[in-house]
Amino acid sequence: TQLLEQSPQFLSIQEGENLTVYCNSSSVFSSLQWYRQEPGEGPVLLVTVVTGGEVKKLKRLTFQFGDARKDSSLHITAAQPGDTGLYLCAGYNAGGTSYGKLTFGQGTILTVHP
Amino acid sequence: EPEVTQTPSHQVTQMGQEVILRCVPISNHLYFYWYRQILGQKVEFLVSFYNNEISEKSEIFDDQFSVERPDGSNFTLKIRSTKLEDSAMYFCASRPTTFYGYTFGSGTRLTVV
Repeated sequence: TQLLEQSPQFLSIQEGENLTVYCNSSSVFSSLQWYRQEPGEGPVLLVTVVTGGEVKKLKRLTFQFGDARKDSSLHITAAQPGDTGLYLCAGYNAGGTSYGKLTFGQGTILTVHP
Repeated sequence: EPEVTQTPSHQVTQMGQEVILRCVPISNHLYFYWYRQILGQKVEFLVSFYNNEISEKSEIFDDQFSVERPDGSNFTLKIRSTKLEDSAMYFCASRPTTFYGYTFGSGTRLTVV
């Protein structure tokens, strides 16, 4: 069974601060995705990373996939109150009998105070 | 922006009753999924559906669960005899051949009393 561990589980910061969320596994994943989930809503896909060492930027968000494809990070620069929410990482393995099942981490609840 | 639509948004049912959760995936998507999220826990995979058949299922997806794509647009999850522990948010998702379009619906909150 593949597991994804996210840390920290809770993050409370002031507006303007930087933060990093980590997603780690002992297993290799073909790709990792990051989602944001609002209360009462479904996860919304932010980014997919597929190549070891890949870095993707989405405005103030920077996503990195580890060289060994076992870990990923999400870095937010100059956080804003609008960044508040639940951030989830999810891994996928291609091939074999897999048809796209995602394995999710437990999530990081981010609160950005004005 | 194309959406995955789920109905109802909330469902309360008595233990032992059957429930059907409905989903309309994005029209040109080929792979369909159900996930659930028990309050305070991880999002868990239930089942994937491709080419009109179940392609993969988790240990959670036992004989009480079934899925159908009856008319080429709807995708349903049926729980035959609900238990208290089935109370959760149920998410439908769909994607095209690539992973870049993986899209989740807003979920159905199922409460079994």
